[in-house]
Amino acid sequence: KQEVTQIPAALSVPEGENLVLNCSFTDSAIYNLQWFRQDPGKGLTSLLLIQSSQREQTSGRLNASLDKSSGRSTLYIAASQPGDSATYLCAVSPTYGNNRLAFGKGNQVVVIP
Amino acid sequence: ETGVTQTPRHLVMGMTNKKSLKCEQHLGHNAMYWYKQSAKKPLELMFVYNFKEQTENNSVPSRFSPECPNSSHLFLHLHTLQPEDSALYLCASSQVGGEWTKNIQYFGAGTRLSVL
Repeated sequence: KQEVTQIPAALSVPEGENLVLNCSFTDSAIYNLQWFRQDPGKGLTSLLLIQSSQREQTSGRLNASLDKSSGRSTLYIAASQPGDSATYLCAVSPTYGNNRLAFGKGNQVVVIP
Repeated sequence: ETGVTQTPRHLVMGMTNKKSLKCEQHLGHNAMYWYKQSAKKPLELMFVYNFKEQTENNSVPSRFSPECPNSSHLFLHLHTLQPEDSALYLCASSQVGGEWTKNIQYFGAGTRLSVL
């Protein structure tokens, strides 16, 4: 059974600092990995998706890397802003055609103005 | 607006009540999902429907009964729930199959359920 772990569970940073969020997974046979954002009481918004054949994806201030063989992904958020305060969730998809995502518990981030 | 709409947003029910959660997707997707999100736990996949057919039932108790009348609508019928069923219930949809399939799931805002 795939297990996804996110460290740290919670963190606070001053505005302007770079954020580094870590995700690890136990089974490296994945099809893709996604990072989601969740605001309190809301649903999830997909931020970045990395195919298993890719090493990284970038969108604006966000950069996600994937080391499939070691079962790790890192989400970098450059020059953090108070609006980045949210919970960030990592999820892996097992194989092509299997849409059963396995989620981590999330990294709860607070950016202090 | 993510294109996935869930109603109601909040629901309080007693253990003997029967209620239903509704999800509608406006994205033309062919797969829909129910997830349960409890405090301090990862999202738990409950049910998956591909092309209106249930393809996954993740050992969910029978007091939760899904219904997918067409590819745009998904319901979760609730009856004789327990207090531990209180959680945020999230619906999602995605497009599966074909060359360009990245399996990105789009989520609704969820229904916050409290069972008294």
